[in-house]
Amino acid sequence: NAGVTQTPKFQVLKTGQSMTLQCAQDMNHNSMYWYRQDPGMGLRLIYYSASEGTTDKGEVPNGYNVSRLNKREFSLRLESAAPSQTSVYFCASSGGQGGFGYTFGSGTRLTVV
Amino acid sequence: DQQVKQNSPSLSVQEGRISILNCDYTNSMFDYFLWYKKYPAEGPTFLISISSIKDKNEDGRFTVFLNKSAKHLSLHIVPSQPGDSAVYFCAARRQGAQKLVFGQGTRLTINP
Repeated sequence: NAGVTQTPKFQVLKTGQSMTLQCAQDMNHNSMYWYRQDPGMGLRLIYYSASEGTTDKGEVPNGYNVSRLNKREFSLRLESAAPSQTSVYFCASSGGQGGFGYTFGSGTRLTVV
Repeated sequence: DQQVKQNSPSLSVQEGRISILNCDYTNSMFDYFLWYKKYPAEGPTFLISISSIKDKNEDGRFTVFLNKSAKHLSLHIVPSQPGDSAVYFCAARRQGAQKLVFGQGTRLTINP
């Protein structure tokens, strides 16, 4: 049982480049989330998907887009990366028998230079 | 507006003693509170939770206390062990919502 899988684990981008962070869960959870972690700021919600086919903005959505491809997969896209997007990104899922507690992936460390 | 606040960025405790991590919140609509633990290079993992209808929940060495009138909760770890060294996040859920709101985190260091 893999839980929540994020790829890649590390990435370095140049300013203006684009990339997509991938997330997949195998727990049949309905809800999925993307957070970013920055020093002193904790975990801030970027986007979330309460169920397949729906997405909503979180606290810090600017500069990002998301796609809920199916129930298992929720991707986060940076169209034109900026140094301010240097962060650690976590995907999480919740729902089903796990209730509303989250299961997190291991994170993607992104550096934009 | 930071609805969940952990005002201590770091805490250092001697092995075997009690660790107390604090969390304050502002939204009276929060009905469930959770603590997550995070090691370096890993995702946060669930530790313990408490419903707003309770004032205490215990799980082994970990106890969470909730003071609704003060909008304050705390996590007690007794006795503290070196493996408890990690970042601890407090989180809260608004009634009827699915998403969680997290605090800034507290880095706990257990010294031998």
